[in-house]
Amino acid sequence: QVQLVESGGGVVQPGRSLRLSCAGAGFTFSSYGMHWVRQAPGKGLDWVAVISYDGSYRYYGDSVKGRFTISRDNSENRVYLEMNSLRAEDTAVYYCAKSRGLVMAAADNWGQGTLVTVSS
Amino acid sequence: QSVLTQPPSVSAAPGQKVTISCSGSSSNIGNNYVSWYQQLPGTAPKLLIYDNNKRPSGIPDRFSGSRSGTSGTLGITGLHTGDEADYYCGTWDSSLNIWVFGEGTKLTVL
Repeated sequence: QVQLVESGGGVVQPGRSLRLSCAGAGFTFSSYGMHWVRQAPGKGLDWVAVISYDGSYRYYGDSVKGRFTISRDNSENRVYLEMNSLRAEDTAVYYCAKSRGLVMAAADNWGQGTLVTVSS
Repeated sequence: QSVLTQPPSVSAAPGQKVTISCSGSSSNIGNNYVSWYQQLPGTAPKLLIYDNNKRPSGIPDRFSGSRSGTSGTLGITGLHTGDEADYYCGTWDSSLNIWVFGEGTKLTVL
C-alpha cells in the first residue's frame, strides 16, 4: 500500500530556513505529481505547492511563492520542501500528498505530517 | 478567505442525510474536477471523492459527490457519530494556477 513519511520538522527561528523531506513507497513514485499541504493549529487546509511527476512543472501558493521551493529525487523516491525566510505564520503541520495525476490532481494519499514551529 | 466557499458547519441526526456545498467560479470548479476530503480529529485528511463524483477504493457508497455549474456538493447518507469530522473541497484554479481548498465544514452528528 502507499506510504508517505514526512521528516525534517522542528522549531526554527523567524528568518531561518528548514528543509522538509517526504519518502514515498508502495507506488511508482516517478509517475505521479506530489503536493505539499499545511495546516496551522486549529485552522483549515492550506495548499503550499505541487511538483509534476518529472519535476518539470512546479506551482506555489501565494503565501509561500518566492520563499519555498519544491523539488524531487525520483531515484530516491523523495520530494522536498525547502523553506526560507520563515515567518511565524508558517507554523503548521506540513503534509505531503500523492497526486492522482501527473501534476495537479486530487491528493489521494497523505502522510502523517510533520510539525514546523517558527518561534524565537 | 478562500476562493471556494463552504458552510462553516452542518449537523444532522444519526441515520439521516446531509449535504455540504462548495461554491466557486468558472476558473476553478466550473472547469476543473472537484475533490472532497475528510479529516477526523487529530488525523491526516483522507480523499473521499475525486473527479466530482468518483469514490476511491474502500470509500463506502454512503458518500457521494456531484457538480453543477460552479458548485460542488458532497452528500453523506446513513450518518453515524464516526462521520463527525471536518470536510474540505478542493480543485485547481486555472486562472491563479494554484490548487485551492475550501475553508472546511464541521459536521456534527447530533
